[in-house]
Amino acid sequence: DAGVTQSPTHLIKTRGQQVTLRCSPKSGHDTVSWYQQALGQGPQFIFQYYEEEERQRGNFPDRFSGHQFPNYSSELNVNALLLGDSALYLCASSSNSGRMNTEAFFGQGTRLTVV
Amino acid sequence: LAKTTQPISMDSYEGQEVNITCSHNNIATNDYITWYQQFPSQGPRFIIQGYKTKVTNEVASLFIPADRKSSTLSLPRVSLSDTAVYYCLVGDPLMNYGGSQGNLIFGKGTKLSVKP
Repeated sequence: DAGVTQSPTHLIKTRGQQVTLRCSPKSGHDTVSWYQQALGQGPQFIFQYYEEEERQRGNFPDRFSGHQFPNYSSELNVNALLLGDSALYLCASSSNSGRMNTEAFFGQGTRLTVV
Repeated sequence: LAKTTQPISMDSYEGQEVNITCSHNNIATNDYITWYQQFPSQGPRFIIQGYKTKVTNEVASLFIPADRKSSTLSLPRVSLSDTAVYYCLVGDPLMNYGGSQGNLIFGKGTKLSVKP
């Protein structure tokens, strides 16, 4: 049973470019959340997708957008990249079962460097 | 959402028991306490979750006093591989655990360094 998989693992982009990161959730999970983690900081919530719709969003500009596909996989798109967008981008999947002990499973992340 | 306070860093030696305390004075009635572990360049990994008293699994124990304003993650006999950042999160599982509705709120965590 594969866990959460993210691609690519590393990426280097130039300021002003656009980037797309991909995530496949753990088998049986239907909810995908994206987090940005700057060096030395805890992960910061970007947004969450469920049933192919953005359900909740953190304090990130509209340059950050996403998509969820019918197979529950997800993409994170960032437009007009800034140097400050350099970070580890994490995808977490979970199940919308409503169980009290629902836990989120994280992928290894994509290390984005903007130069 | 309850705010948490943890030590920024801790040092230990192999074989010792490590206790990391988290303060959450404004914890709400429906809030659970969850701990995640994160190694460099990897995603956080769920360790343990509890509501009150004591919870134990194969990895750690979680102690929560009656007033629930703090909690202590206990790692028995740590090894070098336990060197990581440990995050304490507090919230309503139905609203704040990336599951049915919400998202996870991470602080800066506690960087644990285990030395030989």
